Amino acid sequence: DAGVIQSPRHEVTEMGQEVTLRCKPISGHNSLFWYRQTMMRGLELLIYFNNNVPIDDSGMPEDRFSAKMPNASFSTLKIQPSEPRDSAVYFCASSFRLGQFFGPGTRLTVL
Amino acid sequence: KNEVEQSPQNLTAQEGEFITINCSYSVGISALHWLQQHPGGGIVSLFMLSSGKKKHGRLIATINIQEKHSSLHITASHPRDSAVYICAVWSYGNKLVFGAGTILRVKS
Repeated sequence: DAGVIQSPRHEVTEMGQEVTLRCKPISGHNSLFWYRQTMMRGLELLIYFNNNVPIDDSGMPEDRFSAKMPNASFSTLKIQPSEPRDSAVYFCASSFRLGQFFGPGTRLTVL
Repeated sequence: KNEVEQSPQNLTAQEGEFITINCSYSVGISALHWLQQHPGGGIVSLFMLSSGKKKHGRLIATINIQEKHSSLHITASHPRDSAVYICAVWSYGNKLVFGAGTILRVKS
């Protein structure tokens, strides 16, 4: 298995633009997590899904952020409109029972 | 006060030394994670535990639920163990709270 796949790996955009981050979890995993990591705040859980259903989105910073999981093999995290303070590394992780497998992350820079 | 506190913040060790990283938390938890983040940024889940002790290779994780404390031990440390080690707890409210991380550097 290729592991958790995230795309793009790097994204540079201008303030106000829409950004879409993508994640393909490991086949057979039933939980998916979106994280954000910044120097100031460290790692934060944004939202997680069980069996494609959002369980807890209380970590989503504001309405500009939205996440979907239309099927078991794909999830998106969208930021619209983006702001410079959204610059961070965004990780996706998937799990089945114990432990989590992390993707390589998407480094987002909003100018 | 943070709900999850790690110590030390920074740790430098000589190759071969036994290393201990501590994690204390103030909330009731259902499980605790230890994560490793390499200098390149990749994150690996090392352990998820809710009681007792787990061992994987040279890594050992223990948890004391009554004392709200967990330790990560590395035996016979090696420069390739240099990374940031992060403790995270699942609270009963299904919130995942992270510690600030411990930066470990193992010198040869």
